Amino acid sequence: EVQLLESGGGLVQPGGSLRLSCAASGFTFSSYAMNWVRQAPGKGLEWVSAIVGSGGSTYYADSVKGRFTVSRDNSKNTLYLQMNSLRDEDTAVYYCAKGIVVAGRYYYYCMDVWGQGTTVTVSS
Amino acid sequence: QSALTQPASVSGSPGQSITISCTGTSSDIGGYNYVSWYQQHPGKAPKLMIYEVSNRPSGVSNRFSGSKSGNTASLTISGLQAEDEADYYCSSYTSSTTVVFGGGTRLTVL
Repeated sequence: EVQLLESGGGLVQPGGSLRLSCAASGFTFSSYAMNWVRQAPGKGLEWVSAIVGSGGSTYYADSVKGRFTVSRDNSKNTLYLQMNSLRDEDTAVYYCAKGIVVAGRYYYYCMDVWGQGTTVTVSS
Repeated sequence: QSALTQPASVSGSPGQSITISCTGTSSDIGGYNYVSWYQQHPGKAPKLMIYEVSNRPSGVSNRFSGSKSGNTASLTISGLQAEDEADYYCSSYTSSTTVVFGGGTRLTVL
């Protein structure tokens, strides 16, 4: 069974840092692009970042570029999101989501498996 | 990158069909066949319902279908059932190599 389990969320002060992790199982992790998507309380989904299977290319939303860094350790089947200079508006549930494969090609733009999310609260 | 535009809410009676629209620009929906649709029940993670405009993942009911015309994508749900009541989000790949979501549509089954 394909599973994604996020961890690392919590309460942090504005300007602080936090690192999220996502442990993957049930699939060949190193082949798949992975994403972080967040959802502020009572709001819609917002794509945050993506990374290809090799880790060689990364992509970010303008709202987090320069503050967040996505990475992965394929030997540990784990995805990370390092979040620095956190702001109140970063408060959200953060989901880890697996990219799809179509006709043998791996894409990050569409996510077919999602974790249950980890909550990040930025507040003084 | 601005969010894609979806109606805030739609409703329908059991057995009816409804359509949710998702409007973008030539830099996202209009430029690529990389539109996806997700269903989210309260307190749950999103679930992929449609990918590449009109393809259904394995296990998704054929009551769900997708289409696109120009800069607007649509999700149609036929034979509405009570369990279809949820929030629905569209998303698209963009020319900036990012992904953009719609604001979400709350579906109420009357």
